[in-house]
Amino acid sequence: QVQLVQSGAEVKKPGASVKVSCKASGYTFTSYYMHWVRQAPGQGLEWMGIINPSGGSTSYAQKFQGRVTMTRDTSTSTVYMELSSLRSEDTAVYYCARDMTTVVSSPGGDWGQGTLVTVSS
Amino acid sequence: QSVLTQPPSASGTPGQRVTISCSGSSSNIGSNYVYWYQQLPGTAPKLLIYRNNQRPSGVPDRFSGSKSGTSASLAISGLRSEDEADYYCAAWDDSLSGLYVFGTGTKVTVL
Repeated sequence: QVQLVQSGAEVKKPGASVKVSCKASGYTFTSYYMHWVRQAPGQGLEWMGIINPSGGSTSYAQKFQGRVTMTRDTSTSTVYMELSSLRSEDTAVYYCARDMTTVVSSPGGDWGQGTLVTVSS
Repeated sequence: QSVLTQPPSASGTPGQRVTISCSGSSSNIGSNYVYWYQQLPGTAPKLLIYRNNQRPSGVPDRFSGSKSGTSASLAISGLRSEDEADYYCAAWDDSLSGLYVFGTGTKVTVL
């Protein structure tokens, strides 16, 4: 079965960077795009961007342009999301979510368990 | 803030039908598919409806989606206690460099 296992919780100081990993298994890693979505405490869902694990191409939400970098390692079937210049408003649970089809469609039925990133001085 | 607007809350008694609206514009709902997600407390979201009105396997047919113009709606019929959750609509937005946008979210309470 499809599994997306994310790295553990992080505590970072303002101005620092964080890199969250998402290890995929149970399917052909390079066949499905991966989305990143975040959710601040008590708030709604926010789409951050998408990566094509096959070629590594990315598309980021305008809000995060210049601060977010999504990469992948096909040898370990892992995607990464790095967010820099952290501020308190970046405190959130970060999710990876596999696209529901082999072409870009939407975050589908398979999500990681979420990674809590806390930004605090 | 989100470009897809939902009512903050909705409620019903067991067995009732509840409808959640999602209002957008010509650049998102008006020209792209709508998706709906359910998020139970403390868990990751779950895809409930895709391409306006399609249900992934395993989603009960009590959940149905529809779209008209720049608005969409999710209906839950035969409301059950386990349906108490947050619900989000979503769509691609052509005006913002291919941004995928979520709705503001609706908390459904089963009375």
